[in-house]
Amino acid sequence: DAKTTQPPSMDCAEGRAANLPCNHSTISGNEYVYWYRQIHSQGPQYIIHGLKNNETNEMASLIITEDRKSSTLILPHATLRDTAVYYCIVISNTGNQFYFGTGTSLTVIP
Amino acid sequence: DTEVTQTPKHLVMGMTNKKSLKCEQHMGHRAMYWYKQKAKKPPELMFVYSYEKLSINESVPSRFSPECPNSSLLNLHLHALQPEDSALYLCASSQVGRNYGYTFGSGTRLTVV
Repeated sequence: DAKTTQPPSMDCAEGRAANLPCNHSTISGNEYVYWYRQIHSQGPQYIIHGLKNNETNEMASLIITEDRKSSTLILPHATLRDTAVYYCIVISNTGNQFYFGTGTSLTVIP
Repeated sequence: DTEVTQTPKHLVMGMTNKKSLKCEQHMGHRAMYWYKQKAKKPPELMFVYSYEKLSINESVPSRFSPECPNSSLLNLHLHALQPEDSALYLCASSQVGRNYGYTFGSGTRLTVV
């Protein structure tokens, strides 16, 4: 039931911006996009979410295309602690269920 | 309190044992969830509770039995498990309704021997 597509892995140099793309071409007009990350064997951690406008918080920025078919999570200054699997999730259109896609494994390199 | 607490953190059980996983939250969330996560795979939704009633069972085998005794507690009763049931079991909670984010616990690492 996952409705998102992400690259399986990415590398980023420490201190540089990490840009993680997500395709959600079947998204409906009132469905939010959520981003979570999971550091090895811990529970998923909320990062950010959005509907149509770009969003920014203390952790990251979320850029959603005008047609809402894709989005990009930006970690502005990646650190080694940002190494994790990042999941882009679109909530099920039948309720509030999160169905995880395969995510992107981000490795931040010193 | 903005946490979901899961106990125990680690559990080893035999195939004939009966054990329970516990999940607790005090955020006033009325939706609670169980997920199963195998190594190097994404979490898979197992059960959804809404207002203490089971609303979704994702075709989970009956050896997994969920229970929601009150709005703060969620249990997962385990009986006659198989080694392939070894996994990280995650609990989450949220407000009821669409487009509410989840808060996840740190999980219970289950090993069936």
